[in-house]
Amino acid sequence: KNEVEQSPQNLTAQEGEFITINCSYSVGISALHWLQQHPGGGIVSLFMLSSGKKKHGRLIATINIQEKHSSLHITASHPRDSAVYICAVSLNFGNEKLTFGTGTRLTIIP
Amino acid sequence: SAVISQKPSRDICQRGTSLTIQCQVDSQVTMMFWYRQQPGQSLTLIATANQGSEATYESGFVIDKFPISRPNLTFSTLTVSNMSPEDSSIYLCSAGQGASNEQFFGPGTRLTVL
Repeated sequence: KNEVEQSPQNLTAQEGEFITINCSYSVGISALHWLQQHPGGGIVSLFMLSSGKKKHGRLIATINIQEKHSSLHITASHPRDSAVYICAVSLNFGNEKLTFGTGTRLTIIP
Repeated sequence: SAVISQKPSRDICQRGTSLTIQCQVDSQVTMMFWYRQQPGQSLTLIATANQGSEATYESGFVIDKFPISRPNLTFSTLTVSNMSPEDSSIYLCSAGQGASNEQFFGPGTRLTVL
């Protein structure tokens, strides 16, 4: 069983829809990261959080430490949001290596 | 934040040859990592590049196949040696600063081995 599980694996939605991607992990962590990977392969870090909720533009990330669960939400989705979204966890403080989920491929249809 | 560049961005190589990928960070960083992403898969850590000492390799990865250098706090190289088609992947460099746990990723190098 992977230490980091994401759902759904694939998600197709209409432009404007509210999107939720889920991440569950099975170990104690120091931080959880949400990453975005576009078709070219480059990765952008969206959020790093260890508690509560963070918001950046149309993106919102939440984490529940007790339930070992995090969600990434996209409001008013747009075709440019189409990408693979990856959840990753740090097991220790101090820039330790990340353990990655398998990613969620999001496609937003105009 | 840190901006990371990688060279080359992509390459097509012949079986049996070697390719060295460069990773340059625009500021000094504590940690640098090299990841591999095989087609359709998530990222897997190859090794942690240590400044001034040998890299720390993850299970399944060895120095003879993936030699790594890190001569200073802003630069690292990964060599993929004696390549086979199974080495066709995206190779990504990442870096972390201080104790913030924040990590920054390079744009990746897309390698195809024929």
